Amino acid sequence: AQRVTQPEKLLSVFKGAPVELKCNYSYSGSPELFWYVQYSRQRLQLLLRHISRESIKGFTADLNKGETSFHLKKPFAQEEDSAMYYCALSGRGNYGQNFVFGPGTRLSVLP
Amino acid sequence: NAGVTQTPKFQVLKTGQSMTLQCAQDMNHEYMSWYRQDPGMGLRLIHYSVGAGITDQGEVPNGYNVSRSTTEDFPLRLLSAAPSQTSVYFCASSTGLRSHVLTFGAGSRLTVL
Repeated sequence: AQRVTQPEKLLSVFKGAPVELKCNYSYSGSPELFWYVQYSRQRLQLLLRHISRESIKGFTADLNKGETSFHLKKPFAQEEDSAMYYCALSGRGNYGQNFVFGPGTRLSVLP
Repeated sequence: NAGVTQTPKFQVLKTGQSMTLQCAQDMNHEYMSWYRQDPGMGLRLIHYSVGAGITDQGEVPNGYNVSRSTTEDFPLRLLSAAPSQTSVYFCASSTGLRSHVLTFGAGSRLTVL
């Protein structure tokens, strides 16, 4: 079955500090992994996807199939990074080909 | 383009009342879906559709009905509202199941008393 876990409900860091939001998944196959972000009073939006191998707003994420992880990292956090972050998986599971989201991690970057 | 439009943004219901959350997209997306967002539980899939006339259940379908008579619209119906359905509901669409990128609506906050 598809499952996405994010162990931290809340993560607080100071501005300029490194940040890592953890994501682990379970899936019997080759999944597509994503990070979605929801800033205050804004819509959920795609931050990045593993297949693109790109850096968005200074964030990167590497898919580690051995550890079944897709952690989101940024070397120097900014206050505008404060938001709710969801890790998501796209694959075939109990509900057809679909998207499964983790419970989310709220990142708070302190001044 | 408006993208994904959800109405209403806020709604308060009494237990047992029925209502419909509207979702419309103008991007000619084949795939549309409804999620509910609850604290600590993330986004859970309620129902989804891969095209007009085709719908299927997600993880938490009980108490909700959907239909897809046009490509643009995907309404979510609560037949007899219960306090457990108090949540924020999101509609999302994509070009297809394999596009992998969802476009979300602004959300509808529903409170059932």
